[in-house]
Amino acid sequence: EAGVAQSPRYKIIEKRQSVAFWCNPISGHATLYWYQQILGQGPKLLIQFQNNGVVDDSQLPKDRFSAERLKGVDSTLKIQPAKLEDSAVYLCASSSGGNEQFFGPGTRLTVL
Amino acid sequence: SQELEQSPQSLIVQEGKNLTINCTSSKTLYGLYWYKQKYGEGLIFLMMLQKGGEEKSHEKITAKLDEKKQQSSLHITASQPSHAGIYLCGAPYSGAGSYQLTFGKGTKLSVIP
Repeated sequence: EAGVAQSPRYKIIEKRQSVAFWCNPISGHATLYWYQQILGQGPKLLIQFQNNGVVDDSQLPKDRFSAERLKGVDSTLKIQPAKLEDSAVYLCASSSGGNEQFFGPGTRLTVL
Repeated sequence: SQELEQSPQSLIVQEGKNLTINCTSSKTLYGLYWYKQKYGEGLIFLMMLQKGGEEKSHEKITAKLDEKKQQSSLHITASQPSHAGIYLCGAPYSGAGSYQLTFGKGTKLSVIP
């Protein structure tokens, strides 16, 4: 069974630029999560999707972050414009509705 | 304030030694998850504890949940270099049936050969 795929693995941008991350969950997993993990911290949930609908985006900074999950499969997370404090690892996870979340390898973003 | 406190923040042990990592919640626990993370990589699921007093083991790793104390412990017996990494505990605070996880800051484990 293929795991959660994310790309790119690394991204370096300058502040005020835009960036997008892509996530392909495990086949058949209806629930998809995006987390932000700042160095030295645990992952923080940004947004949760159930199929192509948003379940919770209360911690998503909506003035600069956006996410979508068209067709209820792949998802993209966008930051526009990026700030220095957005430097972090962005993790995507999926689950089949049960308890266990399967995580992708993450995208490490550096904002200069 | 942090909802999940992990201790210690970091740990260096000699190969073959036993160790324990603790995770204490400031709120009622509906379950507790343990994950392991290698630097620069995603999280690997270790164990999920759902009931007070529950104890699970996988290979040399044992996790326990004390619901009354709102804490969990992760114990590694006879540590090996392969155990090195960051151990994270996560809890679903949105209530039973919710799977949104709040994580602690992690415990960084180094194992010296």
